[in-house]
Amino acid sequence: QQQVKQSPQSLIVQKGGISIINCAYENTAFDYFPWYQQFPGKGPALLIAIRPDVSEKKEGRFTISFNKSAKQFSLHIMDSQPGDSATYFCAASIFGNEKLTFGTGTRLTIIP
Amino acid sequence: DTEVTQTPKHLVMGMTNKKSLKCEQHMGHRAMYWYKQKAKKPPELMFVYSYEKLSINESVPSRFSPECPNSSLLNLHLHALQPEDSALYLCASSPQRDTEAFFGQGTRLTVV
Repeated sequence: QQQVKQSPQSLIVQKGGISIINCAYENTAFDYFPWYQQFPGKGPALLIAIRPDVSEKKEGRFTISFNKSAKQFSLHIMDSQPGDSATYFCAASIFGNEKLTFGTGTRLTIIP
Repeated sequence: DTEVTQTPKHLVMGMTNKKSLKCEQHMGHRAMYWYKQKAKKPPELMFVYSYEKLSINESVPSRFSPECPNSSLLNLHLHALQPEDSALYLCASSPQRDTEAFFGQGTRLTVV
């Protein structure tokens, strides 16, 4: 019930392409869905987050798409750049509950 | 100031040593967290402090002892650790009753 499943485990995308990472959850009480970006040896950095009252949120090249009925959400990175190469974690939580449930992570590599 | 600062950045300790990790934030956040992250894995929640009181302990062994001296500081006291405790230890903070967590850069701990 508390799991968040993330795919793919690793992803290679050409520079300028679109990177897509998917997450699925079971617990319908989840109502906050952030994405974190982590570079090697660094802490995760909050990238973008969405609540289930909207189906899409865009910030620059990063877009979250949210499908409440399917219990799925995804991160799209447009015009992917080598600097986007990092590990990405989706997460979910219940508002007011401090506990984040993380996905297993996706290692993204952008090749020139 | 939008940073969570962790010291030290690296720590090597023997199994009989006692050491402490320190975390500081000046964003006025009232929830602070300790996470443990092994290589290629998502962060695992260890402890949550809310308004300087321990609110979540994820069944962490007693060789890890958290302390929250005030609303800006969080410590993790380490004693008699095992080599399998080697990991990246992350501190995070968030505004109370919101789950937007900001992570520090982490302390890379090696137990020898």
